[in-house]
Amino acid sequence: QKEVEQNSGPLSVPEGAIASLNCTYSDRGSQSFFWYRQYSGKSPELIMFIYSNGDKEDGRFTAQLNKASQYVSLLIRDSQPSDSATYLCAVRTGNQFYFGTGTSLTVIP
Amino acid sequence: EAGVAQSPRYKIIEKRQSVAFWCNPISGHATLYWYQQILGQGPKLLIQFQNNGVVDDSQLPKDRFSAERLKGVDSTLKIQPAKLEDSAVYLCASSLGIGETQYFGPGTRLLVL
Repeated sequence: QKEVEQNSGPLSVPEGAIASLNCTYSDRGSQSFFWYRQYSGKSPELIMFIYSNGDKEDGRFTAQLNKASQYVSLLIRDSQPSDSATYLCAVRTGNQFYFGTGTSLTVIP
Repeated sequence: EAGVAQSPRYKIIEKRQSVAFWCNPISGHATLYWYQQILGQGPKLLIQFQNNGVVDDSQLPKDRFSAERLKGVDSTLKIQPAKLEDSAVYLCASSLGIGETQYFGPGTRLLVL
């Protein structure tokens, strides 16, 4: 079983819609959770992180964490074509960081 | 604030050759990470330094990969000898401390022929 699992997609949404990206992790002891965006040919850039159960909002982005279900998600409101990228979920467990394979998102104008 | 610097940006070598990558982290960042990202996959952590000490290298193929951060700032990752399956992007990241937000450099794209 992989440490972090994401649907590879591709996920397509129309411009202005809400994009929902999901991630599950295997280790209940995982402490912190990160969402990175990676444009093709570029390095990952941090969108946001979350440590506690519940929701965390930053602009158009909302991260949701449910430790009981070992589930973390990212919602992108009012999706824009510039949001088209691969979204990587990363989980910190002890000193180790595990990344998922990423979900490819395409926002259709 | 300058970001994480890496060089070279691209490297093409033949199998069994050696190659080295360099990383300069963000000033003041004590923790430095090397990741390997194979096309279509997420980054895989190879090694993590806290200052000049190794925190975790459990996923580093030590028979051919080595890394050092002698003065607690710059770091070098070496592959000797390279294999075809080492073709990937090698990403360096840094953070203020362990568990803190990581900032990635532009990466080095390695192609082994």
